[in-house]
Amino acid sequence: QVQLQESGPGLVKPSETLSLTCAVSGYSISSGYYWGWIRQPPGKGLEWIGSIYHSGSTYYNPSLKSRVTISVDTSKNQFSLKLSSVTAADTAVYYCARSRWELPSLDYWGQGTLVTVSS
Amino acid sequence: QSALTQPASVSGSPGQSITISCTGTSSDVGSYNLVSWYQQHPGKAPKLMIYEGSKRPSGVSNRFSGSKSGNTASLTISGLQAEDEADYYCCSYAGSSHVVFGGGTKLTVL
Repeated sequence: QVQLQESGPGLVKPSETLSLTCAVSGYSISSGYYWGWIRQPPGKGLEWIGSIYHSGSTYYNPSLKSRVTISVDTSKNQFSLKLSSVTAADTAVYYCARSRWELPSLDYWGQGTLVTVSS
Repeated sequence: QSALTQPASVSGSPGQSITISCTGTSSDVGSYNLVSWYQQHPGKAPKLMIYEGSKRPSGVSNRFSGSKSGNTASLTISGLQAEDEADYYCCSYAGSSHVVFGGGTKLTVL
């Protein structure tokens, strides 16, 4: 059974960098598929942040591209998100997920982690 | 890259059928048969219900079906049940390896 688990600080100060990691079990990232990050501000809808292919190619939401970096560590079977220069508008539940068939088909999700941006 | 347009809310009685629309543009929904639909219960992660426009992942009830006409994709739920009450999101490939979500629709089972 494929499982994903997000981890990282729940509180980040404005202007700092948000860093999250998604640990994957039950499937080897190096075997294939896209691995992505999606966020959901409290009471609002879903927003795709970006994805990384198992080979390391990255794809980012144009509206966040200047601040986002997604990387993969196949030795630890995990992938990571960095979002720089955060503001209160970046407060959200952050999910990691796998795209099995093509990018929009996110078939396995983590439980999500709330990140609050506040001083 | 703008969000896809969904109705804010829909409702139906148990046993009825409802349809949720998802309107995009010729750059996303209209150009690719790569629309997926997600069900999200409060406090839970989204669950994939439909992918590639009309395909159901293993384990998803055949009461859920997807279709597309032009720039609009649709999710139909037949034989509505109480447990179908949730938020539903569409998602489409938008070219250049980008993805866009809809704003979400709250389904109420009366």
